[in-house]
Amino acid sequence: KAGVTQTPRYLIKTRGQQVTLSCSPISGHRSVSWYQQTPGQGLQFLFEYFSETQRNKGNFPGRFSGRQFSNSRSEMNVSTLELGDSALYLCASSLDADTQYFGPGTRLTVL
Amino acid sequence: DQQVKQNSPSLSVQEGRISILNCDYTNSMFDYFLWYKKYPAEGPTFLISISSIKDKNEDGRFTVFLNKSAKHLSLHIVPSQPGDSAVYFCAASVIRGGADGLTFGKGTHLIIQP
Repeated sequence: KAGVTQTPRYLIKTRGQQVTLSCSPISGHRSVSWYQQTPGQGLQFLFEYFSETQRNKGNFPGRFSGRQFSNSRSEMNVSTLELGDSALYLCASSLDADTQYFGPGTRLTVL
Repeated sequence: DQQVKQNSPSLSVQEGRISILNCDYTNSMFDYFLWYKKYPAEGPTFLISISSIKDKNEDGRFTVFLNKSAKHLSLHIVPSQPGDSAVYFCAASVIRGGADGLTFGKGTHLIIQP
């Protein structure tokens, strides 16, 4: 089975712009979770989608949003980018939020 | 408030010896625990997990031990190999399935020396 894929792998944006990241889960997996990794804060949970519904959300501002499509693919959007949003964004998929399998991540740099 | 703590930022072990990585947690509601391995510029790779109803789970060279009363878990790697050099993250969830998301420790950088 193909693993979790994320596109793009690298992205450079400027402050104030918005960005959309994409994640394709492992075939058959219906749960997709997003995490942010930064050197200072480590890996932090953003939100989780299951069957196109957001089931839970971490402690991030409303500028961070996401959605899931009927084929379980998910997108994450960050609006009004700030310098502190520079991070590795990781997507993980699971059958039903059990063991989560991670993609390679999208490295976002905000200038 | 860090609910999952990995107090050793780094650990150096000789090839062939046992590597022991430790993790402490504060939330007694956590009922599912996982270990992930991460190489630079890659996503975390799942290694092994344990449910709170068990105290040990073994998979090849990897064994995870859970001590609920001490709120402590550890990962043993025997024997350690050069390819094991990576950052290891401990993670926990309140509901098995992580609907509340996984809570991660800050990681331990394991270095296997030849």
